[in-house]
Amino acid sequence: DVKVTQSSRYLVKRTGEKVFLECVQDMDHENMFWYRQDPGLGLRLIYFSYDVKMKEKGDIPEGYSVSREKKERFSLILESASTNQTSMYLCASSRPGQGIGETQYFGPGTRLLVL
Amino acid sequence: RKEVEQDPGPFNVPEGATVAFNCTYSNSASQSFFWYRQDCRKEPKLLMSVYSSGNEDGRFTAQLNRASQYISLLIRDSKLSDSATYLCVVNRVSSASKIIFGSGTRLSIRP
Repeated sequence: DVKVTQSSRYLVKRTGEKVFLECVQDMDHENMFWYRQDPGLGLRLIYFSYDVKMKEKGDIPEGYSVSREKKERFSLILESASTNQTSMYLCASSRPGQGIGETQYFGPGTRLLVL
Repeated sequence: RKEVEQDPGPFNVPEGATVAFNCTYSNSASQSFFWYRQDCRKEPKLLMSVYSSGNEDGRFTAQLNRASQYISLLIRDSKLSDSATYLCVVNRVSSASKIIFGSGTRLSIRP
């Protein structure tokens, strides 16, 4: 079974704080993703990485950065947290598909509240 | 217009009923399609892939209509445990960054 873990289930931070969200997967997957999920908006891709030290912006990268120093670990960084970054953050991983797309495996999510 | 659109519901149906919902996508270059299931306060999990020829997995049937650019999910003999949000996912195989999730359809099965 693929396992994707996230460092925290719940986080409360103050405006302006630097926030680190960690994600680890144990299936040697090349691709890793960070999403945020908000009511009525679904999952929106923040960043993804297809290899160590490689990253690409998703749909909403502003205010976020990422780090992938090891294949199994993908970190999301909020440089200066703001209240509009209060959300559920979901990490996912996948192996590039064989012509049929990619199945993503999600972590349990981190509920972040920025006060 | 969103690239992937779903009726948010909720669909409220009695146990044992058949329920179906659609998901429309706007980009004709989309190549692969999935249904994910998300329980309340949990992460999404893959329910099934959607193939051009349609596919069935027990009580669940998924169909793809490329001409009209929609996919559908049919659930027969619904169970209480089917209550969840169903997310439609569309992506282009050539670009991992173009995996688009619909905002989900909420399904509630009542006894």
